[in-house]
Amino acid sequence: DGGITQSPKYLFRKEGQNVTLSCEQNLNHDAMYWYRQDPGQGLRLIYYSQIVNDFQKGDIAEGYSVSREKKESFPLTVTSAQKNPTAFYLCASRRAPTGLGNQPQHFGDGTRLSIL
Amino acid sequence: AQKITQTQPGMFVQEKEAVTLDCTYDTSDPSYGLFWYKQPSSGEMIFLIYQGSYDQQNATEGRYSLNFQKARKSANLVISASQLGDSAMYFCAMREAISSGSARQLTFGSGTQLTVLP
Repeated sequence: DGGITQSPKYLFRKEGQNVTLSCEQNLNHDAMYWYRQDPGQGLRLIYYSQIVNDFQKGDIAEGYSVSREKKESFPLTVTSAQKNPTAFYLCASRRAPTGLGNQPQHFGDGTRLSIL
Repeated sequence: AQKITQTQPGMFVQEKEAVTLDCTYDTSDPSYGLFWYKQPSSGEMIFLIYQGSYDQQNATEGRYSLNFQKARKSANLVISASQLGDSAMYFCAMREAISSGSARQLTFGSGTQLTVLP
């Protein structure tokens, strides 16, 4: 079945450590997104990518980095510069990179990141 | 200013009854799309329904319908015949043609926690 796979489901970070969250999709979607969700709040955009080898900052990119070396993969690294990384992280993809359209974003099951 | 406002942090509904979840939005773009997503306690986001700003009719998808009032900038979700499995967090989101730029990103509201009572 086509979909978006995020791993791991739960992740713990130590002080000063970088951690990488995986996001893989087999939907053949061009655009991919990373969102952060804090308890009781909506989603905020961290980074997005429309095509391979290209990505742009979203609203809260500080302390995060991404890469897009393959169409299927869009990993997110939470660096030690992100002082409050505890949150739920959701990866999404969308078929068309441009155009308003009615194509929804499809989401993975998320990764919960906590500080040790 | 908030682009998407969901004023109901929590709602309760009796099983088999209908419920309306409120969503108001703020945009100066003439072209935009409105989405509703459901987020169960497991965390995944499930797309429910879409309404385009130029759509003449209110969107419907099974038990979900969207009460779109463009002049009032509201896009309320109506769930008919509520089921226990409808208990979840519901998010309203907007995609603007111009303001979202090339990303076509979604802007989300803060959500409404719906609890269906047996």
